Order: sequence, then structure tokens, then C-alpha cells
Amino acid sequence: GENVEQHPSTLSVQEGDSAVIKCTYSDSASNYFPWYKQELGKRPQLIIDIRSNVGEKKDQRIAVTLNKTAKHFSLHITETQPEDSAVYFCAATFTGTASKLTFGTGTRLQVTL
Amino acid sequence: DTAVSQTPKYLVTQMGNDKSIKCEQNLGHDTMYWYKQDSKKFLKIMFSYNNKELIINETVPNRFSPKSPDKAHLNLHINSLELGDSAVYFCASIGTGGANTEAFFGQGTRLTVV
Repeated sequence: GENVEQHPSTLSVQEGDSAVIKCTYSDSASNYFPWYKQELGKRPQLIIDIRSNVGEKKDQRIAVTLNKTAKHFSLHITETQPEDSAVYFCAATFTGTASKLTFGTGTRLQVTL
Repeated sequence: DTAVSQTPKYLVTQMGNDKSIKCEQNLGHDTMYWYKQDSKKFLKIMFSYNNKELIINETVPNRFSPKSPDKAHLNLHINSLELGDSAVYFCASIGTGGANTEAFFGQGTRLTVV
């Protein structure tokens, strides 16, 4: 089955700096890689995703890159703001009837003033 | 309208009791999940159902019994609750076709076993 590793487990950056979170996956059949943000006491919510036919995707201050050969994908947040503070989860799955969304272990991002 | 709703939001109960958590989605998705989030925030999949059929059972103790009366509902019944069952349980649903692959989560049920 799929195994997703995520680093770092905690990350502290100053407001305005960039933050990078990295994930690796094990199953070469996985073709969909979403990133979720979970604020304290709230449900995880999708912030960006990437499919295996794309190497990079950007949405304002957030970007995700995917290296299929190395089975790596990363989340990049630029110009961080205090409201970016949350736990971020990467995930991987093969889309289909028996899809199983496997999450990484989470990164607690703290943006300090 | 809430896309995925689960009840109750909080559940405090004694060891040995039996309890249920209900989940409903109005997104027309075929696939629903139960995830357990422990104190370290790890999100671990427990079960996956597709169109009322059990697809994935991640070696969860058989004290946990999911039930899907129809594809919009996935309930979780837990027998003989133990202290280690304390966690936040999230229901989620996902589409399985084309661009419709975002997983939507319920608000979570914080289960505390005392």
C-alpha cells in the first residue's frame, strides 16, 4: 500500500518569509497529490492539488511541485502571513473506485510576527 | 448547505459503553471514509466505502463497525469503548471521476473515553 512521509514535523518562519514542506510517496501508481490545511479545532480543507501529468502548479502565494521520478512533491508558501499558521498535510492516492487517500504525518507551521 | 456533516461534535463516554457517530454527505459522491486523528494529529484511514460497499478496512479492531445504508450516509458504531479510542474521528467523501477528486471532511467528532 501507499506510504507517505512528510518533513519537517514543525516549521517556524517569520512573517514574510517562505515556507517549504516536503513529502515522498511509495506507490508509483499514485496520480493525485492534494495538500490540506487544518486550523486549530477545524476540519482539514484542500488548499491546492496536483496531478501526475503536471510538474508544477501555482495559486497566488501557494505552489506545489511534483517529481514523479523521485516520488517527491513539495508545498511552497511565499510571503507567509500569521493566518498561514496551521497544520499542513500532504496526501497521495490513485484516483478510482478503490481510491485510498493516504496522508502524511503533518507539518505544524508557525508564522511569527 | 454543509457538504459533509457528522454528529455529534463532542462525545464523552465511559469505558465499556457502545456509541455511534453519524455522517451524511450531500455532494453526490460515491466514496466515503472514516479517519481517526490522534493526539499527535496523524490522520489515519480506518474504512472506505464505495456505493455502500466496504472497499478498505485498515486492520481496525472489530469493535468498530461501519454501516452505509446508502451512498450518502456512512455511520460508525463502536462497541466496548476503550481509553485508546479517544481521538477525533473525521468522516470524508470524495468523488472518483475526472476532476472531481477533492476530499471533503466533516467537522469531526471528538470522542473522549473516561
